[in-house]
Amino acid sequence: KNQVEQSPQSLIILEGKNCTLQCNYTVSPFSNLRWYKQDTGRGPVSLTIMTFSENTKSNGRYTATLDADTKQSSLHITASQLSDSASYICVVTPYGNKLVFGAGTILRVKS
Amino acid sequence: GAVVSQHPSRVICKSGTSVKIECRSLDFQATTMFWYRQFPKQSLMLMATSNEGSKATYEQGVEKDKFLINHASLTLSTLTVTSAHPEDSSFYICSADDRDRYNEQFFGPGTRLTVL
Repeated sequence: KNQVEQSPQSLIILEGKNCTLQCNYTVSPFSNLRWYKQDTGRGPVSLTIMTFSENTKSNGRYTATLDADTKQSSLHITASQLSDSASYICVVTPYGNKLVFGAGTILRVKS
Repeated sequence: GAVVSQHPSRVICKSGTSVKIECRSLDFQATTMFWYRQFPKQSLMLMATSNEGSKATYEQGVEKDKFLINHASLTLSTLTVTSAHPEDSSFYICSADDRDRYNEQFFGPGTRLTVL
């Protein structure tokens, strides 16, 4: 069964600190892995998208890594800001276009 | 680019009424659009896949007669919640496939439906 598991479920950090969110998946084969940021009451916004052959992708202070051998991905946020408080969702796409969603990690950045 | 809009952003209705939600891809053509439902603190749940000019494909457990989907053009899909009940209250999100960008999906901002 295609599954995507994320950890931790929630995380609180101080403004300016770094953090890393984890994503493990069983989807195989897959065409791409994406990280989305979802603010409360809003739709998800794409942060990064990686094919199975890519190891890392950056978008400003966000850096995603992918290890297709161990089926793990991480999202690293550098120098966190209050506006980073949101839910971060890992999404894997099997071949075809139906996405497999993780449950998300709720990040709260405190001042 | 790649903007998806939804209208309305928020709607409150009485039980038994029908509510229509629009999803538009503003600057690209989407052969496929998806409708999701999200309950508080849960991830998105796919309800149906909508292809332009053909009938929508519904996920298991989703009533097609209750959630009517129309995808009349390459930029517009609508979801109509018929005879809405309080348990239909949820956050409804659409996404659109950009066929020119390796089928990357772009999400709309969501519609908060509250049924009294």
